[in-house]
Amino acid sequence: GAGVSQTPSNKVTEKGKYVELRCDPISGHTALYWYRQSLGQGPEFLIYFQGTGAADDSGLPNDRFFAVRPEGSVSTLKIQRTERGDSAVYLCASSSGNGPYNEQFFGPGTRLTVL
Amino acid sequence: KNQVEQSPQSLIILEGKNCTLQCNYTVSPFSNLRWYKQDTGRGPVSLTIMTFSENTKSNGRYTATLDADTKQSSLHITASQLSDSASYICVVRGFGNDYKLSFGAGTTVTVRA
Repeated sequence: GAGVSQTPSNKVTEKGKYVELRCDPISGHTALYWYRQSLGQGPEFLIYFQGTGAADDSGLPNDRFFAVRPEGSVSTLKIQRTERGDSAVYLCASSSGNGPYNEQFFGPGTRLTVL
Repeated sequence: KNQVEQSPQSLIILEGKNCTLQCNYTVSPFSNLRWYKQDTGRGPVSLTIMTFSENTKSNGRYTATLDADTKQSSLHITASQLSDSASYICVVRGFGNDYKLSFGAGTTVTVRA
């Protein structure tokens, strides 16, 4: 079956531009997570959705970052006025629930480069 | 301060040899610990999950150990293969904020022929 997919795989943009990153979770997974991974580091939590609502957005670094999941499936991470420091790999994960033993399945990530 | 520390940062081993990766954590209360393998350009994939009552668990040539008293875990790779070249990330989940995972920075393993 299909895993978590993310598009685009790579995105190069200029400082100050707006970008959207898309995540297609595993079908039927109600929980969806966004992470940011810098080179040589583990993923860093950004936001968690349960269904359509953002249950926890405490990891978003500032108000330039926003994410939606309008129909409880596909999610889009939006970054306004991009800065060079936003360059990283953005990972999406989904799981069938948010219990402690529910495995999060990760997508391949979107590598964002801000010039 | 990161609650999950991994060592070494990187290592190089010859094909067929064994290696052991270390993970120390301070997450408390502790629920479970997973080791993930992340190939270059891919998302992490879970290898093993261990709860506080488990001391060892194997998945093929991968064997994980856990000492919940000292808050230490290890991942042992036996008879390494070229395909084992990847980053191995230790991920700890506590109670309370169940969905929030604490990630180590990973150990990059390079297997050479």
